[in-house]
Amino acid sequence: DAKTTQPTSMDCAEGRAANLPCNHSTISGNEYVYWYRQIHSQGPQYIIHGLKNNETNEMASLIITEDRKSSTLILPHATLRDTAVYYCIHGGSNYKLTFGKGTLLTVNP
Amino acid sequence: NAGVTQTPKFQVLKTGQSMTLQCAQDMNHEYMSWYRQDPGMGLRLIHYSVGAGITDQGEVPNGYNVSRSTTEDFPLRLLSAAPSQTSVYFCASSYRTSGGISSYNEQFFGPGTRLTVL
Repeated sequence: DAKTTQPTSMDCAEGRAANLPCNHSTISGNEYVYWYRQIHSQGPQYIIHGLKNNETNEMASLIITEDRKSSTLILPHATLRDTAVYYCIHGGSNYKLTFGKGTLLTVNP
Repeated sequence: NAGVTQTPKFQVLKTGQSMTLQCAQDMNHEYMSWYRQDPGMGLRLIHYSVGAGITDQGEVPNGYNVSRSTTEDFPLRLLSAAPSQTSVYFCASSYRTSGGISSYNEQFFGPGTRLTVL
């Protein structure tokens, strides 16, 4: 199974950057790192994915270490609406993702 | 586009009853899948399909059947409901990019069906 290790919970002040770490030491060479989030009881929402290089989109940035054994998701200016469970996943085919328990990010006013 | 739709939103069943959870997508995605999420847990893959007529088992397939007769629809059937199947069920769809390294992009999730089996 594709397993990742994430902190159970994190807090962040509104307007500050939220940096969510993830360890994926068992990742293989052709597997991507994916980040999803789940707000309350809604369906998960895709955030970003990457292979080797750092990636940025309108929602977040993804920093992957050179050895690819860990990554960090960065929300540059967290808002209250970013409070959610964030899942870090690695896999070769997106349709067979293995979700762990994720990190509950709480953004405080 | 409506995206991924699921019906019903809520359902209560008695042990032994059967039912079908509906999932449809209007994005012409090749890939569709079903997950279940138990309280305080991550999502677990039940079944998935890589195209019409093709299905395969995920991590927790027992007690569930699927079929994929069209690209748009991917129903999940509970054959004989058990209390252990009380959960929130999410359907998702995805597509494959062409060229280069094999890459499946984002999965689009439906709003979920909350199922209680008494």
